[in-house]
Amino acid sequence: AQSVTQPDIHITVSEGASLELRCNYSYGATPYLFWYVQSPGQGLQLLLKYFSGDTLVQGIKGFEAEFKRSQSSFNLRKPSVHWSDAAEYFCAVGAPSNTGKLIFGQGTTLQVKP
Amino acid sequence: DGGITQSPKYLFRKEGQNVTLSCEQNLNHDAMYWYRQDPGQGLRLIYYSQIVNDFQKGDIAEGYSVSREKKESFPLTVTSAQKNPTAFYLCASSVTSGTVNEQFFGPGTRLTVL
Repeated sequence: AQSVTQPDIHITVSEGASLELRCNYSYGATPYLFWYVQSPGQGLQLLLKYFSGDTLVQGIKGFEAEFKRSQSSFNLRKPSVHWSDAAEYFCAVGAPSNTGKLIFGQGTTLQVKP
Repeated sequence: DGGITQSPKYLFRKEGQNVTLSCEQNLNHDAMYWYRQDPGQGLRLIYYSQIVNDFQKGDIAEGYSVSREKKESFPLTVTSAQKNPTAFYLCASSVTSGTVNEQFFGPGTRLTVL
């Protein structure tokens, strides 16, 4: 069965510092991978996705993620964090055999210190 | 503008009452989904529909019901059988059913049982 683990429940970084949010997945073949962001009381917005091809994926708001098959990981990165990046971040995995359903991680809450 | 709308934004229910949450999309998407979000638990799938007049149970369907009479609409009823309905409910849609695609999310409905 597919699963997604986000090891860090809460992360605090200083504004201007770099950021890396971890995501590990469990799936037998190459999965379809997503990162979403959620501001408090809002819906989810897609940051980026990986289906195939280049393992380094660029997204919106200056985010990128790298798919590493050997580590079953899809970590999200940003070189310099802005205060407006404070939000909850969700990693999700989908499989072609799973009728389009996505499995979401538990989320990582990012706090940005001024 | 195309998108997904959910109403109401806030909903209060007395114990023993059924309530219906609205979800409408004008993206011409085939597939629609309902998720429940609780703090620290990520998103859990309640029901999903891949085509009009058809829907399937997700991981936590007990105490919930849905209908899909129109492509644009996928209302969720929270019945009195749901023992702990207080949560944030998110509706989503995707272009096609049966394969993995990005899911687009509505702004959510927060349900509180009094």
